[in-house]
Amino acid sequence: EAGVVQSPRYKIIEKKQPVAFWCNPISGHNTLYWYRQNLGQGPELLIRYENEEAVDDSQLPKDRFSAERLKGVDSTLKIQPAELGDSAVYLCASSHPDSYNEQFFGPGTRLTVL
Amino acid sequence: GEDVEQSLFLSVREGDSSVINCTYTDSSSTYLYWYKQEPGAGLQLLTYIFSNMDMKQDQRLTVLLNKKDKHLSLRIADTQTGDSAIYFCAERTSYDKVIFGPGTSLSVIP
Repeated sequence: EAGVVQSPRYKIIEKKQPVAFWCNPISGHNTLYWYRQNLGQGPELLIRYENEEAVDDSQLPKDRFSAERLKGVDSTLKIQPAELGDSAVYLCASSHPDSYNEQFFGPGTRLTVL
Repeated sequence: GEDVEQSLFLSVREGDSSVINCTYTDSSSTYLYWYKQEPGAGLQLLTYIFSNMDMKQDQRLTVLLNKKDKHLSLRIADTQTGDSAIYFCAERTSYDKVIFGPGTSLSVIP
């Protein structure tokens, strides 16, 4: 069984540029999470989807961040425009309704904003 | 707001036991988790405990929960060099959000 796939693995951009991250969850996992992990810290939830519905986006900075999961499978997280403080690892995770307590994490996308 | 705290570093000798400690603030947490993160990888769930339990054992791992003090610990018996990683404590809050601690970096000395 393939794990959670994320791309790209690394991205370096200049501030004010847009950037997008892609995530493909494990097949059959209806819940998808996007987290941001700053250096030396634990992950912080940005948004949680149940199928195609965003059920918790309270921590998503909506002025510059957006996310979509149009068909309830893969998802894209976008930042426009990026700021220096957005440099972090962006992690995607998914979980199956029968294994509610186990989130499977992807390897993350390391974003560096110059 | 909710907060999870951990000591940032722990160093042990190979073969010894490691104990990683965590405190949390939401007394209504439903589940508590331990995740492991190796360099360049995502987090991997090691084990979790329901809030009405006080202990859970899984092979070399023992989780102890003191709900009164809101204290969680992870004991790794016979620690190996492959156990070197960052360990995250997390709580599922009463409103169903998972909050992670800052992580404890475990170094195992051969």
